[in-house]
Amino acid sequence: NIVLTQSPATLSVTPGESVSLSCRASQSISTSIHWYQQKSNESPRLLIKYASQSISGIPSRFSGSGSGTDFTLSINRVESEDFSIYYCQQSYSSLDTFGAGTKLELK
Amino acid sequence: QVQLKESGPGLVQPSETLSLTCTVSGFSLTSYSVSWVRQPSGKGPEWMGRMWYDGDTAYNSALKSRLSISRDTSKNQVFLKMNSLQTDDTGTYYCTRVDYPGPFDYWGQGVMVTVSS
Repeated sequence: NIVLTQSPATLSVTPGESVSLSCRASQSISTSIHWYQQKSNESPRLLIKYASQSISGIPSRFSGSGSGTDFTLSINRVESEDFSIYYCQQSYSSLDTFGAGTKLELK
Repeated sequence: QVQLKESGPGLVQPSETLSLTCTVSGFSLTSYSVSWVRQPSGKGPEWMGRMWYDGDTAYNSALKSRLSISRDTSKNQVFLKMNSLQTDDTGTYYCTRVDYPGPFDYWGQGVMVTVSS
């Protein structure tokens, strides 16, 4: 199985800061990585697909980049509603896997 | 609009079988695949398996021996059955639509399953 390693596990920031969350794959997966946001007691929500493609209805401050094994989710000027957990997921293999998540918390 | 809704028992006895149903609307099961994803409390999601749009299935290798996914296209339903449940199978179980071949673009609300005697 393809293993996804997310870092850091926790990121403490103040509103208005810009942040980058990392997801590293155990083998090259082209751009077959997708990012989700999960707020407490809610289902995950798709934020970015195929590394950098935007999703309708998602604020433009969210963006993604990367290819191969290293991927980044960037949030430009974090807002209070952004404090939640972020997961990456790969669909390169027919057996999907998720990362363990990065918790974005208020400093 | 696209909707998925999971249903099933909230409590299952250890060693028993879990049966869940995902009822979908707003899309066809013969055009989109549906995956099951579970999430223990406080942990990340785990992909369990997929019902492909063509009726084929794929399973997480760690669960394959215990897991079965099927569907009834006439009722717009996808089914999950997993046997020999243990306490570490406790968590929230979601069904998701797959925007083939990639992301899970729509999720159900999830159903909490507790394995306990």
